[in-house]
Amino acid sequence: QLQLQESGPGLVKPSETLALTCTVSRGSIRNNNYYWGWIRQSPGKGLEWIGSVYYSGTPYYNPSLKSRVTISVDTSKSHFSLELTSVTASDTAVYYCGRQGGYCGSSSCSPTVIDVWGKGTTVTVSS
Amino acid sequence: EIVLTQSPGTLSLSPGERATLSCRASQSISSNFLAWYQQKPGQAPRLLIYGASSRASGIPDRFSGSGSGTDFTLTVSRLEPEDFAVYYCQQYGSSLTFGGGTKVEIK
Repeated sequence: QLQLQESGPGLVKPSETLALTCTVSRGSIRNNNYYWGWIRQSPGKGLEWIGSVYYSGTPYYNPSLKSRVTISVDTSKSHFSLELTSVTASDTAVYYCGRQGGYCGSSSCSPTVIDVWGKGTTVTVSS
Repeated sequence: EIVLTQSPGTLSLSPGERATLSCRASQSISSNFLAWYQQKPGQAPRLLIYGASSRASGIPDRFSGSGSGTDFTLTVSRLEPEDFAVYYCQQYGSSLTFGGGTKVEIK
């Protein structure tokens, strides 16, 4: 059964960069049927999709966070990563990584539902 | 951005009763790209329904989804004790957004 595990600092200072990694085990990150995504959950904003990456490295971002987010993949290490710059207290949340299906229309492809989730990691932004 | 509004905010029911949860979109969702998730305290969400009405792998048939366009419904035909949780809808027709959730609590 595919497993995903988030890792990274639990405390980040305001204005700094939040960096998390999701390690994929018991399955291949190179599977061309799936995308790999980051989702966060905070009391104030509920669930929010941050962005996703395809195994080839193509990223997809939430337009509202796009200017601050970078998601990348390292297939040799079977992990993908999130960087969120210039964080503020509103970025405090539980951050989940997940496996997503994909859909290809006539001109482009995009990630869809999250069918496998990591357990989540709490990140607090505070000085 | 497509905004999803879930109602009611809280549903108080007894085991064995039927639960009907609503998810309304601010604009039509293409291809019925609407999913439902269940989340229990301290756990990650679990995918229940995708494509508005298709059950995910391993999901009991007491869970069903319906709807199209802007109005969607999740129905739990007979609530089991383990079904008391928070339920979220998510659309993936235009970027990805989630609803605010409906809590199903024991009456």
